[in-house]
Amino acid sequence: GQQVMQIPQYQHVQEGEDFTTYCNSSTTLSNIQWYKQRPGGHPVFLIQLVKSGEVKKQKRLTFQFGEAKKNSSLHITATQTTDVGTYFCAGPPTGTALIFGKGTTLSVSS
Amino acid sequence: DTEVTQTPKHLVMGMTNKKSLKCEQHMGHRAMYWYKQKAKKPPELMFVYSYEKLSINESVPSRFSPECPNSSLLNLHLHALQPEDSALYLCASSQVSSGGQETQYFGPGTRLLVL
Repeated sequence: GQQVMQIPQYQHVQEGEDFTTYCNSSTTLSNIQWYKQRPGGHPVFLIQLVKSGEVKKQKRLTFQFGEAKKNSSLHITATQTTDVGTYFCAGPPTGTALIFGKGTTLSVSS
Repeated sequence: DTEVTQTPKHLVMGMTNKKSLKCEQHMGHRAMYWYKQKAKKPPELMFVYSYEKLSINESVPSRFSPECPNSSLLNLHLHALQPEDSALYLCASSQVSSGGQETQYFGPGTRLLVL
């Protein structure tokens, strides 16, 4: 069946270091979404990418969608303790509900 | 108002109990979802309602019974649950899209413990 793989599963960084999580799908995605879930919280929408090769930035966060629309990445520059949480990518094969990746849990030490 | 509310926040129930989870949104969204999330795992889709009609049931056991009484409300009726059903139950809503997938707005969830 359709799968969305995400790596790494866990990442620990020192505050100020950069962080990247990668997402790969076994099928072409119509779009990809990224969510952040703080410890004890619920997923919160960050961004949606739709176009092949699209790059979007939100302050220190940079999101990319691959040319083949099968992979995506989230890069955080100069991490802060407020970036702690689990980052999920989620994508539908065309016309179906979201399939979440397993998530990357980021911890940051100051 | 971009908020999805869920009640109760926490629920403890025995295996013979019947309880209901409630979800409400006032964003005019016509798609609503139930997800189950175990610790350190991603949300798993259970049900999707589109225009108040059940459109997706991800082979969920019949002890979970969804209901969408109107476009703002979504319920999940629970009966004869098992301890392994203990999890965070998330409700989400979105616009309905024919060509892809709209952004989903999640509620804070109900933490369910089945004893």
